[in-house]
Amino acid sequence: AAGVIQSPRHLIKEKRETATLKCYPIPRHDTVYWYQQGPGQDPQFLISFYEKMQSDKGSIPDRFSAQQFSDYHSELNMSSLELGDSALYFCASSPRAGAYEQYFGPGTRLTVT
Amino acid sequence: TQLLEQSPQFLSIQEGENLTVYCNSSSVFSSLQWYRQEPGEGPVLLVTVVTGGEVKKLKRLTFQFGDARKDSSLHITAAQPGDTGLYLCAVLSGGYNKLIFGAGTRLAVHP
Repeated sequence: AAGVIQSPRHLIKEKRETATLKCYPIPRHDTVYWYQQGPGQDPQFLISFYEKMQSDKGSIPDRFSAQQFSDYHSELNMSSLELGDSALYFCASSPRAGAYEQYFGPGTRLTVT
Repeated sequence: TQLLEQSPQFLSIQEGENLTVYCNSSSVFSSLQWYRQEPGEGPVLLVTVVTGGEVKKLKRLTFQFGDARKDSSLHITAAQPGDTGLYLCAVLSGGYNKLIFGAGTRLAVHP
């Protein structure tokens, strides 16, 4: 079965650079969530989209922005990167807003040096 | 403070042993989920419990939701090295069901 695809899997950036993370949800899933997981921590919700509109927002810095496109893929844009942004970034998709199930991608490991 | 408190934080056991991990809160939830995460990978949903007192079994894993829907436990029988990983409990929050996770229990099962 098709799973959530994230790219790239690994990304190394320097401070103050920008990064773009991509997420391709499971086909026919219309809801996408982004989570950030720091070393040794649990995943923290950043932002979600339902039918290409932002549906909820968590602890996402103003330096970050995201959107969901017409084909339902989503991109997380991160600017003015800081050392503390180094983390695993997960995308999850859900078959419909309000569904119990969220299916996580393999994540993008971002390292800021 | 964490909405969901998981214990123990770390657990190291030998293959064949039984274990129980806990997820506690002072809040009442309409549902609770358990995920398993391996290093460098995304969390994988194991089970969703929705009814107070509910017990669900998944092979050697037994999940229980507390009667008051404030806590849950995960019991593993005859643990195997393949059970090694981070076990996270989580609850859905908000109209669009963002997940709020506990800090997790890191389980290591040694052959």
